[in-house]
Amino acid sequence: KNEVEQSPQNLTAQEGEFITINCSYSVGISALHWLQQHPGGGIVSLFMLSSGKKKHGRLIATINIQEKHSSLHITASHPRDSAVYICAVSQGAQKLVFGQGTRLTINP
Amino acid sequence: ETGVTQSPTHLIKTRGQQVTLRCSSQSGHNTVSWYQQALGQGPQFIFQYYREEENGRGNFPPRFSGLQFPNYSSELNVNALELDDSALYLCASSPGTSRSYTDTQYFGPGTRLTVL
Repeated sequence: KNEVEQSPQNLTAQEGEFITINCSYSVGISALHWLQQHPGGGIVSLFMLSSGKKKHGRLIATINIQEKHSSLHITASHPRDSAVYICAVSQGAQKLVFGQGTRLTINP
Repeated sequence: ETGVTQSPTHLIKTRGQQVTLRCSSQSGHNTVSWYQQALGQGPQFIFQYYREEENGRGNFPPRFSGLQFPNYSSELNVNALELDDSALYLCASSPGTSRSYTDTQYFGPGTRLTVL
């Protein structure tokens, strides 16, 4: 079992839909990161959080430390949101452990 | 704009050869991390450097080595290339005010290595 599990692995939705991507982890963490990767490889850090909730534009990230679970929500989804979304956890001071990613496709 | 650059963009090597990949971090970023991302997989942590010293290593053999330089550039060297080394190699820098992964990381565009 991977230390960081994401679901779903693939998600296709229509423009305007509310999107939720889930991340569960099985190890103690100091922080959780949500990243976005576009075709071609470039990765952008969306959020880093260790408790509660953060919001940036149409993106919202939440974390429940007790349940070891985080969600990334996208409101009013748009085709430009199509990308791979990756959850990663900071494990102590030494490394990031990544989930396998969720491939999101938003159709117009 | 992250300001992290990597070179080359693409590289083709043959099995047994050696390769050096380069990363230029944002000015002032003391920490650089290297990751390997196989096709369809999430990135895997290779190692991290903080102020020119190795600050942690993932499950990669010693033929994966690195260097960090005072000018915020760094290198990933891979010796005796194997077919399974074919992947996207990403570097990421962070301000690194401490030896901690709680800093936001800024990723470069990656180098795609193909080993034939």
